[in-house]
Amino acid sequence: DAGVTQSPTHLIKTRGQQVTLRCSPKSGHDTVSWYQQALGQGPQFIFQYYEEEERQRGNFPDRFSGHQFPNYSSELNVNALLLGDSALYLCASSSGLAEAFFGQGTRLTVV
Amino acid sequence: GNSVTQMEGPVTLSEEAFLTINCTYTATGYPSLFWYVQYPGEGLQLLLKATKADDKGSNKGFEATYRKETTSFHLEKGSVQVSDSAVYFCALTEDSSYKLIFGSGTRLLVRP
Repeated sequence: DAGVTQSPTHLIKTRGQQVTLRCSPKSGHDTVSWYQQALGQGPQFIFQYYEEEERQRGNFPDRFSGHQFPNYSSELNVNALLLGDSALYLCASSSGLAEAFFGQGTRLTVV
Repeated sequence: GNSVTQMEGPVTLSEEAFLTINCTYTATGYPSLFWYVQYPGEGLQLLLKATKADDKGSNKGFEATYRKETTSFHLEKGSVQVSDSAVYFCALTEDSSYKLIFGSGTRLLVRP
């Protein structure tokens, strides 16, 4: 079992650009959540996808959007990047309300 | 709103010392409580969890008891190892919610 896989592992973007991060959930999981972890902080919930729809959203602007595909994989898109968007982006998968399993994250640096 | 507060780190211990990392929470209803661990350069791993009052979660020598009367979920280990050096996050999920709410993390450094 490959667990939760995220790509890419590292990414450098320029302010104003757009970025897409990808996540493949653990086998058997149908729910994907995204978190933003700033340096030295705990992860902050961005949103969760289930059955290809956004089920719950945290306190993030509309520049953050996502998508879930029929195979349960997911993308996180961030438009009009700001320096403050630099962070580790974590994907977590789960089934129902069972425990979430996290990927290793994508380190995004905005310059 | 719901929140989690952890003791600030870093916590520096010698190998085989006793570990306590304090965690308190604010929540309506009956949250589930978790401890996650993050090793350098890695994502989060679930260490243990408790879903109702007085439950004790345990794993790899770590323990935490869900104390509703003191709204706490302190992490303990009787004898730490160098390999336990990591950042530890306390977290909760709200009733009927799917999101995890994390504390700010506590860095543990264990010296030989």
